[in-house]
Amino acid sequence: AQTVTQSQPEMSVQEAETVTLSCTYDTSESDYYLFWYKQPPSRQMILVIRQEAYKQQNATENRFSVNFQKAAKSFSLKISDSQLGDAAMYFCAYRSANDYKLSFGAGTTVTVRA
Amino acid sequence: NAGVTQTPKFQVLKTGQSMTLQCAQDMNHNSMYWYRQDPGMGLRLIYYSASEGTTDKGEVPNGYNVSRLNKREFSLRLESAAPSQTSVYFCASSEVWWQPQHFGDGTRLSIL
Repeated sequence: AQTVTQSQPEMSVQEAETVTLSCTYDTSESDYYLFWYKQPPSRQMILVIRQEAYKQQNATENRFSVNFQKAAKSFSLKISDSQLGDAAMYFCAYRSANDYKLSFGAGTTVTVRA
Repeated sequence: NAGVTQTPKFQVLKTGQSMTLQCAQDMNHNSMYWYRQDPGMGLRLIYYSASEGTTDKGEVPNGYNVSRLNKREFSLRLESAAPSQTSVYFCASSEVWWQPQHFGDGTRLSIL
């Protein structure tokens, strides 16, 4: 199985500020997909953003953006203008382009301070 | 907009009891998945189904069986529950395997 590492178990951010979550992964493949999922206290896993490895441009979804560094095998998530509703656990995930299996990191808990 | 529905949401079992977790999706998706989530770990795939009648083992299949009797439903069965199977179980579906997965709300299962 591919290894996905999230080195920050917890992060705290002031409301309206920016927080960056780190993710690194290990693969020998050149074609793959990376994802960030959000899991609020309600438990449901929600897809936040997705990045195709063949695309050099970093994906953006409203206040969420990624910094994809393919050579470094790094995929960080930036949450701008943090809101109380952003408080959740965030999971980084990897999937080979040739396989259905998603490999998840251990997650980062984000706390937003009012 | 139901999406992926899991039942039950909570369950407590005794060691050795059997249990079936139900999952249904109303998005006409072909692919369905079962994961487990343990503290300090990401989700791990238990089983996958590409279509009705087909299943494939994931990363942690031991102690589980699955059934995909129709396109909508994908059930996970514990024949003889063990404390190591205490976890939160998630069902997911996707239109096809290369499309993003949609998750249910999870089932918290405790085995005493």
